[in-house]
Amino acid sequence: DGGITQSPKYLFRKEGQNVTLSCEQNLNHDAMYWYRQDPGQGLRLIYYSQIVNDFQKGDIAEGYSVSREKKESFPLTVTSAQKNPTAFYLCASSIDNWGALGGRAPMKQFFGPGTRLTVL
Amino acid sequence: GENVEQHPSTLSVQEGDSAVIKCTYSDSASNYFPWYKQELGKGPQLIIDIRSNVGEKKDQRIAVTLNKTAKHFSLHITETQPEDSAVYFCAALSGGGGSQGNLIFGKGTKLSVKP
Repeated sequence: DGGITQSPKYLFRKEGQNVTLSCEQNLNHDAMYWYRQDPGQGLRLIYYSQIVNDFQKGDIAEGYSVSREKKESFPLTVTSAQKNPTAFYLCASSIDNWGALGGRAPMKQFFGPGTRLTVL
Repeated sequence: GENVEQHPSTLSVQEGDSAVIKCTYSDSASNYFPWYKQELGKGPQLIIDIRSNVGEKKDQRIAVTLNKTAKHFSLHITETQPEDSAVYFCAALSGGGGSQGNLIFGKGTKLSVKP
């Protein structure tokens, strides 16, 4: 059964603690992404990775860190430096593709079920 | 960078009626426009997408139209059913710049279909 899994589904953290959210995919996708979702807002990109051992900051990377040691895994760490970490976190993946002229060919992004993080 | 505006934020329709959600984008280089459906407590599910070289795409009861000149695209759901109730997000793949060609999402439309 192929897909994207995220764990845990619910996570509680005390202020000042770091916490790591898991994201795994068995779709053989090259690119993986982390988004944050807050009530009444769209998804905002935290980090993305187009290839193993490489990742780029998104629009709201401050207070977060990631690693991409394996193609199928892209864990997100929410550090104590993130001032307002309570949110719904979504992981996504896609087959990335760069055209002959260097332009990016649009590829479908598929999302995991999400992790709801609450800071107590 | 790219900016995506989505309207309305909430939409209530009677079962069987049509629903239309509209989005505008700012980056004329954007070339891919997906729509996602998100049910409560779940991740978004891709329901339809359109590329900039196509004006309209249909899949059973859902369709998407794109007007590149006006920089807007719309989701149309016909013969709505209660199970269509969810939050719908539009997105645009930015042409480049600071976001390196990533999806920029609208803020979502909460659709309620009343039996």
